[in-house]
Amino acid sequence: DAGVTQSPTHLIKTRGQQVTLRCSPKSGHDTVSWYQQALGQGPQFIFQYYEEEERQRGNFPDRFSGHQFPNYSSELNVNALLLGDSALYLCASSLRGLGGNQPQHFGDGTRLSIL
Amino acid sequence: GQQLNQSPQSMFIQEGEDVSMNCTSSSIFNTWLWYKQDPGEGPVLLIALYKAGELTSNGRLTAQFGITRKDSFLNISASIPSDVGIYFCAGQPLYNTDKLIFGTGTRLQVFP
Repeated sequence: DAGVTQSPTHLIKTRGQQVTLRCSPKSGHDTVSWYQQALGQGPQFIFQYYEEEERQRGNFPDRFSGHQFPNYSSELNVNALLLGDSALYLCASSLRGLGGNQPQHFGDGTRLSIL
Repeated sequence: GQQLNQSPQSMFIQEGEDVSMNCTSSSIFNTWLWYKQDPGEGPVLLIALYKAGELTSNGRLTAQFGITRKDSFLNISASIPSDVGIYFCAGQPLYNTDKLIFGTGTRLQVFP
């Protein structure tokens, strides 16, 4: 039973570039959430995708966008990269069940470094 | 961004000792979760709590959902070296269960 998988594991970009990160949810899960974790801090919610639509968004600019595919996998896109975008980007998957969401399970993240 | 108040920030204990950490919020939460994160890895779910007052165990770990729904604590009994890592609490807000709000983390070091 594969858990949440993310690719790539590490990425180096320069300011102004664009980046795409990928996530495959845990088997049986249909909801994908993305988080940004700066060094020494807890993860910050970016947005959540369910049924190929963005359901909820955290306090992140429009430079951050996403997509969910019919197989439930997801992409996070960041345009016009800034030095402050350097962080660990985590994907979490869950199953939307009756009565509320099930716990979110996380992948090992993509470490993005901006030079 | 919003983060929950988690304490202590760090703990240095001897193997075999018990550990206690807690998390507080100014608002009510629908669900409390506790995760452990090792270097270079993503958070791993330890315990999930769904009802006020709920007390749940997972091996040597015990966590409780506070009666006010604004706090939670995690206890680790008889610590071992592999307990080393960063522990995060996370909550799902009452009227916004799509997202998790995380605590600031507790860094645990265990010495033999």
